Amino acid sequence: QVQLVESGGGLVKPGGSLRLSCAASGFTFSDYYMSWIRQAPGKGLEWVSYISSRSSTMYYADSVKGRFTISRDNAKNSLYLQMNSLRVEDTAVYYCARERLPAYSAYDWVAWGQGTLVTVSS
Amino acid sequence: QSALTQPASVSGSPGQSITISCTGTSSDIGDYNYVSWYQQHPGKAPKLMIYEVRNRPSGVSNRFSGSKSGNTASLTISGLQAEDEADYYCSSYTSSSTVLFGGGTKLTVL
Repeated sequence: QVQLVESGGGLVKPGGSLRLSCAASGFTFSDYYMSWIRQAPGKGLEWVSYISSRSSTMYYADSVKGRFTISRDNAKNSLYLQMNSLRVEDTAVYYCARERLPAYSAYDWVAWGQGTLVTVSS
Repeated sequence: QSALTQPASVSGSPGQSITISCTGTSSDIGDYNYVSWYQQHPGKAPKLMIYEVRNRPSGVSNRFSGSKSGNTASLTISGLQAEDEADYYCSSYTSSSTVLFGGGTKLTVL
């Protein structure tokens, strides 16, 4: 069965960095576009970034552009999010999510991880 | 970019139907059929309920339906059941090659 497991969250000071990982299993990871989506405590969902199946295309929300970098290693079935210059407002649960269809992005996600909490606080 | 606009809350009694609206602009909902809806129970990851405006993934009840008119998309839940009580979010692709979510709607089953 499809499984996505995030890791790497934790407490970091403003201005600090953190790298999130997402381990995928149960499907051919290299066939799918992947995204990071976050949810601040008690708030709604916010799309953060997506990456194409072969890493040729990446897009970012304006709120993280220039600070966050999405990447993947298809050989390791893993998705990453490098987060630099972190701000208090980046505090959220970060979800790794897989697109519904292979080799194509319809911008909808049928598989989600359990999320990893990032807390930015001094 | 601002989030899509959803009502903060809706409610209905078991067996009734409710509709949740999601309003965007001509740069997102109005220009693309990449509109989806998610259900989220407390402490859980979101679940895809509707994709590409009106399509249901396998396993989702046919009590859930989606539609779109102009810049507004809608999710209708018929025959409300207690387990439908959750938060619901819409999302849409945008002309900036990004994705916007709605602010979320809390559905209460009375």
